[in-house]
Amino acid sequence: DGGITQSPKYLFRKEGQNVTLSCEQNLNHDAMYWYRQDPGQGLRLIYYSQIVNDFQKGDIAEGYSVSREKKESFPLTVTSAQKNPTAFYLCASSYTMNTEAFFGQGTRLTVV
Amino acid sequence: KQEVTQIPAALSVPEGENLVLNCSFTDSAIYNLQWFRQDPGKGLTSLLLIQSSQREQTSGRLNASLDKSSGRSTLYIAASQPGDSATYLCAVPYNQGGKLIFGQGTELSVKP
Repeated sequence: DGGITQSPKYLFRKEGQNVTLSCEQNLNHDAMYWYRQDPGQGLRLIYYSQIVNDFQKGDIAEGYSVSREKKESFPLTVTSAQKNPTAFYLCASSYTMNTEAFFGQGTRLTVV
Repeated sequence: KQEVTQIPAALSVPEGENLVLNCSFTDSAIYNLQWFRQDPGKGLTSLLLIQSSQREQTSGRLNASLDKSSGRSTLYIAASQPGDSATYLCAVPYNQGGKLIFGQGTELSVKP
């Protein structure tokens, strides 16, 4: 089945650690996105990529990094510079920009 | 700057009732508008996408309308069921790379 797979579903990070969230899609979509969801704040864009080997900062990119070496994959690293990383992270993709977006099932990151 | 608002924030109805969820946006220059459903702790499921040239889009018991001139969209759910209980989000792509601007969502509860 085509879709977007995020892993892991739950992730725990210790203070000062970097952690990487995986996002893989087999929809042959060019565009991929990372959003963060916090209670009462809705979804906010972290990074997006319109094509392989290219990505752009979103509204809240500080403390995060991404790579887009393959069309299917868009991993997100939450670095130790992100002071408040506890949140629900959602990956999305679309055929091109401004077309229908599809989301993964999310990764819940908690700082312990 | 595009802003998306959803009213009401929460809605509780008895099973079988027809209901309307509202979404408004401030900038009418949109490519499309997308409605999503989110179950607790889960990712977003795309329900309907209306292109800017369309007035309506239907899928099963769901009907979405779009009035660009007034900056409004509605999601009509016919014969509601307890399984429809979820948070419903509307979103429009705006500016950078197809970034989606989301409303805060309407939390729907359908009582048996």
